[in-house]
Amino acid sequence: GAVVSQHPSRVICKSGTSVKIECRSLDFQATTMFWYRQFPKKSLMLMATSNEGSKATYEQGVEKDKFLINHASLTLSTLTVTSAHPEDSSFYICSAGDRGGLEETQYFGPGTRLLVL
Amino acid sequence: DAKTTQPTSMDCAEGRAANLPCNHSTISGNEYVYWYRQIHSQGPQYIIHGLKNNETNEMASLIITEDRKSSTLILPHATLRDTAVYYCIVRPNFGNEKLTFGTGTRLTIIP
Repeated sequence: GAVVSQHPSRVICKSGTSVKIECRSLDFQATTMFWYRQFPKKSLMLMATSNEGSKATYEQGVEKDKFLINHASLTLSTLTVTSAHPEDSSFYICSAGDRGGLEETQYFGPGTRLLVL
Repeated sequence: DAKTTQPTSMDCAEGRAANLPCNHSTISGNEYVYWYRQIHSQGPQYIIHGLKNNETNEMASLIITEDRKSSTLILPHATLRDTAVYYCIVRPNFGNEKLTFGTGTRLTIIP
């Protein structure tokens, strides 16, 4: 299947700082990428839909000014957690759609574990 | 809200076939059934998807009932590395439709 990478795989930062997470589709182009967050022992929760060349669409309850999303190219989307606080500590996962013919399958990155001290 | 119902957990002996059920009684005509799995501390891995016909690939088989209200994922010869949480998701297979994850089934392969 298609490959999606994320960088960094894990990051520790101080409270109040900003952290940028990159999501790349390595062997296909993705008009749309998705960002999820997962807390321990919980399922994935969609945060936002990242659209290349336009503004992201955020799910209800997700602060767009805190979680900045940029989809600058068809292979790269970034999520920046601004002014991070301990409650932002979580596992962040992105996905990208690989359109093969008429069908599209979402492939996921390996995730980024964020710990805010 | 997730539109599927799965058992919370299941065990399967190593080497045996693991059969994971999923109910999706409100599935729409344009929605596909997708299966993903998540091994601890990793991103979800795509397994298989189908519309109404049974599907098979190198990882698994997907059996969809004729009325499409339920399906079964079959791992033919389970190994310890198949221990994971398995998610059954229904989703239209066009455009940029998001995936909505439920709680999934925690499958444990027993040596």
